[in-house]
Amino acid sequence: EVQLVESGGGLVQPGGSLRLSCAASGFTFRRFWLSWVRQAPGKGLEWVANINQDGSVKNYLDSVRGRFTVSRDNAKNSLYLQISSLRAEDTAVYYCATDKGFLTHDYWGQGTLVIVSP
Amino acid sequence: QSALTQPPSASGSPGQSVAISCTGISSDVDGYNYVSWYQQHPGKAPRLMIYEVTKRPSGVPDRFSGSKSGNTASLTVSGLQAEDEADYYCSSYGASGLFGGGTKLTVL
Repeated sequence: EVQLVESGGGLVQPGGSLRLSCAASGFTFRRFWLSWVRQAPGKGLEWVANINQDGSVKNYLDSVRGRFTVSRDNAKNSLYLQISSLRAEDTAVYYCATDKGFLTHDYWGQGTLVIVSP
Repeated sequence: QSALTQPPSASGSPGQSVAISCTGISSDVDGYNYVSWYQQHPGKAPRLMIYEVTKRPSGVPDRFSGSKSGNTASLTVSGLQAEDEADYYCSSYGASGLFGGGTKLTVL
């Protein structure tokens, strides 16, 4: 059974940083692109970033480029999102998801909540 | 603002069929056969319901179907059931922002 478990969210002040993690199991982690998708309270889904199988290709939403960094450790079956220079508008549930190709996200974690507030 | 446009709401009675539209442009919905649909219940993670316009992942009831005509994709839910009440999001490869704004489906 595919499982994705996010962690690392919490309350952080504007300008602060957090490192989100996503622990994967139940599939051959190193074979898949992975994405981070976020959802602000009461709002829709917003793709944030993705990374290819060996971590050599990374793509970002324009509004987070330069502030967020996606990475992975295939030996640990883990995906990460380093988020910094946080703004109130970054407040959201952050989901990790597998990409079966062409940004089709077939498995999702339960999400981790990031709240940016003074 | 999403490049993919969905109606904010849709509704139907149990047993009825309802269609949710997703309108894009020539460089996304019309340009690729990589339209997906996701179901999201309150407080839960999204679930992939349809991919590559018409395909259903294992475990998705065949009451859910997808189609596309030009720059508009549609998700049809037939034989509505109470548990179908949820938010539905479309996505298309090539679309700015990837996801539509979402449609809240209410089962009356």
